[in-house]
Order: sequence, then structure tokens, then C-alpha cells
Amino acid sequence: DTGVSQDPRHKITKRGQNVTFRCDPISEHNRLYWYRQTLGQGPEFLTYFQNEAQLEKSRLLSDRFSAERPKGSFSTLEIQRTEQGDSAMYLCASSLLLVGNEKLFFGSGTQLSVL
Amino acid sequence: AQTVTQSQPEMSVQEAETVTLSCTYDTSESDYYLFWYKQPPSRQMILVIRQEAYKQQNATENRFSVNFQKAAKSFSLKISDSQLGDAAMYFCAYRSEYNAGNMLTFGGGTRLMVKP
Repeated sequence: DTGVSQDPRHKITKRGQNVTFRCDPISEHNRLYWYRQTLGQGPEFLTYFQNEAQLEKSRLLSDRFSAERPKGSFSTLEIQRTEQGDSAMYLCASSLLLVGNEKLFFGSGTQLSVL
Repeated sequence: AQTVTQSQPEMSVQEAETVTLSCTYDTSESDYYLFWYKQPPSRQMILVIRQEAYKQQNATENRFSVNFQKAAKSFSLKISDSQLGDAAMYFCAYRSEYNAGNMLTFGGGTRLMVKP
């Protein structure tokens, strides 16, 4: 169990550029979540996958955001035409769906700064 | 929609002393889970303790315990014998029993400082 890994750890980009983040969940986990955390706030849910299916998206996830989880393994989160308001930490978490006892394991996040 | 409120932006405790972090939540549901997560400078969220709403007994994990008051919608975390490694951001979180996605709703966090 190597934990949830996220890449890159930090990303600095200019406004209007596209960025892509990657999350590698714990290998046997079938659920994968993306959260966004702005400075001084708690994480906010963005979207989640069960295997390769994206089952729910928050209204926070504008049309400029897209997430994929091909083959139900790693996931990518892409932000197109970045805006300064996109600056935040993007957290990934994974879990193994078990009735009544689902435990989330979080990665260390990707810190995005949009200049 | 559920909301989670942490009214203490910062707390400070002397090493080896006890500190209590507050959390209140708003929900119309009867079945749910409550969590406390720790986020150290490494940024990785770590589960500290979990409470099922249907359980009357307060959860305990070593030096960490909760005071769950369902009627008051209050869920405080008590840290006994505080250690320097306890210094971190602490987040209270809510999860509905009825949402298939099991998403978490987090509070705004409390920064805990531990003085040597």
C-alpha cells in the first residue's frame, strides 16, 4: 500500500493556460474523489468516480473543468483557460466501497497558483 | 444541504495538556457519520476519529475522544496529553448515510498550536 499519490505537487501557470493534474489511487480502490481546498478553508467536493464512471459532479465544477478515470485506475483533472480564482489545492482521495465502512485515503494534493 | 461550522479559527494548548475543538453541524437527516481529520503541513488529510450518528457511545481513539451531542448537533474533539506532533489544522466533516457517493462536507478548520 503506497498510498494515494498526486502529481505535480506544485503547479504555477499563467492565466488562460491549461493545466492537468494526475492522481494515482491505492491500487484496489474502486472509488476516487477530487476535492478543492482554498486557503484557510476546508476541502470542497468536486467530483467522484466509481471505477471508470463519473457518477457525480459538484456545481463548483464549471465547464472549464474535466476529469477522467480511464480503465478505473489513475485519474486526471484538467482545467482549461485557467483563472486566478482557480488557485487552490486540489486533493484526491480514494476508497474501497464497503457497506457502512468506507474510509477515504487522501493524497498530499496539487497546489495550483494562477498568475 | 448540510453545513459544518468550526467556530474556533485557532486554538493553543500547552504540551501534555488537554484541548477541545468545537464543531457544530446542520442537517435534517437522522443517519449520518461525523469525522475529525488532521491536516499537518505535509497537507495529507489523516482521519483522526469517526462517529456513527446511531451510536450513543462517544468514539475514542487513544488520546482522541469526541463528545457527540446529537440533539444539539454538536461534535467536539478532545485531545488529551497533547503532543508537539498534534500541531496541525483539524477539520470536522459530515457524511450523509443517504448519499450514494458518500461525499464529505467539511468545516472551515481549526489551527491547533502546541506549545512546548
